[in-house]
Amino acid sequence: ELKVEQNPLFLSMQEGKNYTIYCNYSTTSDRLYWYRQDPGKSLESLFVLLSNGAVKQEGRLMASLDTKARLSTLHITAAVHDLSATYFCAVEGTYKYIFGTGTRLKVLA
Amino acid sequence: EADIYQTPRYLVIGTGKKITLECSQTMGHDKMYWYQQDPGMELHLIHYSYGVNSTEKGDLSSESTVSRIRTEHFPLTLESARPSHTSQYLCASSETDNQPQHFGDGTRLSIL
Repeated sequence: ELKVEQNPLFLSMQEGKNYTIYCNYSTTSDRLYWYRQDPGKSLESLFVLLSNGAVKQEGRLMASLDTKARLSTLHITAAVHDLSATYFCAVEGTYKYIFGTGTRLKVLA
Repeated sequence: EADIYQTPRYLVIGTGKKITLECSQTMGHDKMYWYQQDPGMELHLIHYSYGVNSTEKGDLSSESTVSRIRTEHFPLTLESARPSHTSQYLCASSETDNQPQHFGDGTRLSIL
């Protein structure tokens, strides 16, 4: 059974600092997605990672995928308050997607 | 741009009522999904469909049912609402493999 774990669950960081969110999954897959969710809102797609070694960057966020280690990372560079949200990774299995537990990020001014 | 719509956005209703949550998408996606999510918590897959007349139960035990008579429409029905059904329900669709899901705005359901 495919399981997806994220850590940390909660992250409070100062503006300008760097940090990494980790997403581990239990079975082989080379299709992984990152989403952002603002409070009271729905999920918005951030990154699509479809092969080992894939790296995608958008602004202060960079996502990577290591399928051999079954690990994806979401790296935050020089955090700003607007990045405060909950971030989910999701692994695509057969017919469905399995979501991680989410990382609630709060960036403090 | 994703076009997936959920109605109602909010619903407060009494125990024992029958409820149908609507989800429609205009993108022609074959795959559609229903998730239950408590605020800020993880998503639990309730049902999914990979085409017309195909539906499957997800990982979360649920007393709901779904139907997929048309590609664009994937309603979720609770035959008899209970307070334990209070949550947010998110509908999503995806085109094919290797594509992210597109999510609706959700229905926030409160059962009194």
